[in-house]
Amino acid sequence: EIVLTQSPGTLSLSPGERATLSCRASQSVSGNYLAWYQQKRGQAPRLLIYGASSRATGIPDRFSGSGSGTDFTLTISRLEPEDFAFYYCHQYINSPRTFGQGTKLEIK
Amino acid sequence: QVQLVQSGAEVRKSGASVKVSCKASGYSFTSYALHWVRQAPGQRLEWMGWINPANGNTKYSQTLQGRVTLTGDTSASTAYMELSSLRSEDTAVYYCAKDGAVFGAAGSFDFWGQGTLVTVSS
Repeated sequence: EIVLTQSPGTLSLSPGERATLSCRASQSVSGNYLAWYQQKRGQAPRLLIYGASSRATGIPDRFSGSGSGTDFTLTISRLEPEDFAFYYCHQYINSPRTFGQGTKLEIK
Repeated sequence: QVQLVQSGAEVRKSGASVKVSCKASGYSFTSYALHWVRQAPGQRLEWMGWINPANGNTKYSQTLQGRVTLTGDTSASTAYMELSSLRSEDTAVYYCAKDGAVFGAAGSFDFWGQGTLVTVSS
């Protein structure tokens, strides 16, 4: 099983600042089959990034993904008020599919 | 537009079973796998398994194998998740999620149901 570890656990920033979230895998995620989701309280997750760096339909270009192998990053270039939420990484090439424990992005 | 609409919240006693439905619309129900994911309070998302609605083939998480059963009704474009021998640790929000890739390719989860809260009491 591929274990995904996200850091930091909580990130406190202000609107307009840049956010950098990390996801490290216990073994290489072949083909970069790594996705990022945003989840707001009481809502279902929403797909942001797939294939490590491709934005899902309708996702603003301030969201970007990068990385390969075992180290992946989600960057939000300029935080908007609606971006403060939980973020999860997810590998979908190995079974079982696994998720990171999440990063909480909160307003400073 | 793609929509996945799940059934309402459930409360069960320990040892009982629960069945949650997920009605799909806006896409070809038989062309994409349907996954089930759960989230216990304060915990990470946990993948439970998937079903190929076209032929009923399934794959389950080893931790839930033997307790979870995924089925589908193509005539109603609806998938079902049944979890048996419930225990308090099964209290969670259960989601269905559509695979973003057609069969034969690995896909992220591009659309999700709204979630169904299952509460297990002793």
